[in-house]
Amino acid sequence: NAGVTQTPKFQVLKTGQSMTLQCAQDMNHEYMSWYRQDPGMGLRLIHYSVGAGITDQGEVPNGYNVSRSTTEDFPLRLLSAAPSQTSVYFCASSGRGNEQFFGPGTRLTVL
Amino acid sequence: AQSVTQPDIHITVSEGASLELRCNYSYGATPYLFWYVQSPGQGLQLLLKYFSGDTLVQGIKGFEAEFKRSQSSFNLRKPSVHWSDAAEYFCAVGGERGSTLGRLYFGRGTQLTVWP
Repeated sequence: NAGVTQTPKFQVLKTGQSMTLQCAQDMNHEYMSWYRQDPGMGLRLIHYSVGAGITDQGEVPNGYNVSRSTTEDFPLRLLSAAPSQTSVYFCASSGRGNEQFFGPGTRLTVL
Repeated sequence: AQSVTQPDIHITVSEGASLELRCNYSYGATPYLFWYVQSPGQGLQLLLKYFSGDTLVQGIKGFEAEFKRSQSSFNLRKPSVHWSDAAEYFCAVGGERGSTLGRLYFGRGTQLTVWP
């Protein structure tokens, strides 16, 4: 099992560009979520999904879109990147026990 | 509203000394509680979790945590710290059923430095 995988590992964008961060899990988990990590702020929830076709907003959803067409995949889209979105992004999946299994992260820089 | 407070931003201890990292939470339902550790440039690793039952839970790497409902606390402890324990530690809270599943709320983290 690969667990939770994320691509890319690193990305540099210019302000206004769009991109999609990919996340996949092979544990057949119902729940998936996206967090961003900024220095001194811990991890903050962006969006989450409780199953295929069902998503909801977290604490900091502005500027991000998600969709979940399959159980395995949960991509995060930045529609028009801003410097404030420079961060490390973690995808996670969980089962009924709510223990989050994290991917390795994507380090994003927006210039 | 749900929230987690880790009052200590940075703690420094000597190798071999005991350690306690504090965590207080606010959550409107029965909480599931977690401690994660993150080494520099790495992802998050689960140290331990509390779901129910015995309020003292054991984790990996010799860590333990005690759940105190009356104080809304879930402090992490280790009797003797090793240099390899230097990392950032995060406390998190989540729900245990239904619509509360699928996400956690994290504290801002405590950075641990270990002196040789």
